[in-house]
Amino acid sequence: EAGVTQSPTHLIKTRGQQATLRCSPISGHTSVYWYQQALGLGLQFLLWYDEGEERNRGNFPPRFSGRQFPNYSSELNVNALELEDSALYLCASSLFFGADGRAYEQYFGPGTRLTVT
Amino acid sequence: DAKTTQPPSMDCAEGRAANLPCNHSTISGNEYVYWYRQIHSQGPQYIIHGLKNNETNEMASLIITEDRKSSTLILPHATLRDTAVYYCIVRETNFGNEKLTFGTGTRLTIIP
Repeated sequence: EAGVTQSPTHLIKTRGQQATLRCSPISGHTSVYWYQQALGLGLQFLLWYDEGEERNRGNFPPRFSGRQFPNYSSELNVNALELEDSALYLCASSLFFGADGRAYEQYFGPGTRLTVT
Repeated sequence: DAKTTQPPSMDCAEGRAANLPCNHSTISGNEYVYWYRQIHSQGPQYIIHGLKNNETNEMASLIITEDRKSSTLILPHATLRDTAVYYCIVRETNFGNEKLTFGTGTRLTIIP
């Protein structure tokens, strides 16, 4: 079974540009999550999508946005890039909540390393 | 904020059992303990999770104390490929608590 895939592996942008990162979840998973891991910092929750809707977002400015497509793949867009946006961006997927409301474990992709110069 | 405390680093000899402790003294009744690991610059890998009973899978065992205030992840026969940062996460698993809150983790180094 294929895992979570992300593209591109590396992305280099200049300050002020826009970056688009893509994620394909595990087959059958409808929820997609985005996390940011800046150098020396822990993983920070960015966004959660399920069934095409944004369900929750972390403490990030509005220039971080995304969407989820009908095939459950997802895209993260970062506008007006700043130097501090340089980080490893991780996507995870999971099944949606079960009938008992219990959440399922998240499985992560390899990440996209974004460098802003 | 992370609700767990882990030692920043540990060493373990190859072939021996690696025991990684985690304190979560403020854990509430509906919160699970999850363990993930991250090998350098890769995405975190799910290992195991539990509520109050000990759990075992093909990767590891999870021992949770009776009062649930601490737990230990056990890698029974550590190999060099187990060198990674290990994260202990306390997480509610009800709707609306779907994000994972990572702390600083334990950097485990397997010594040949």
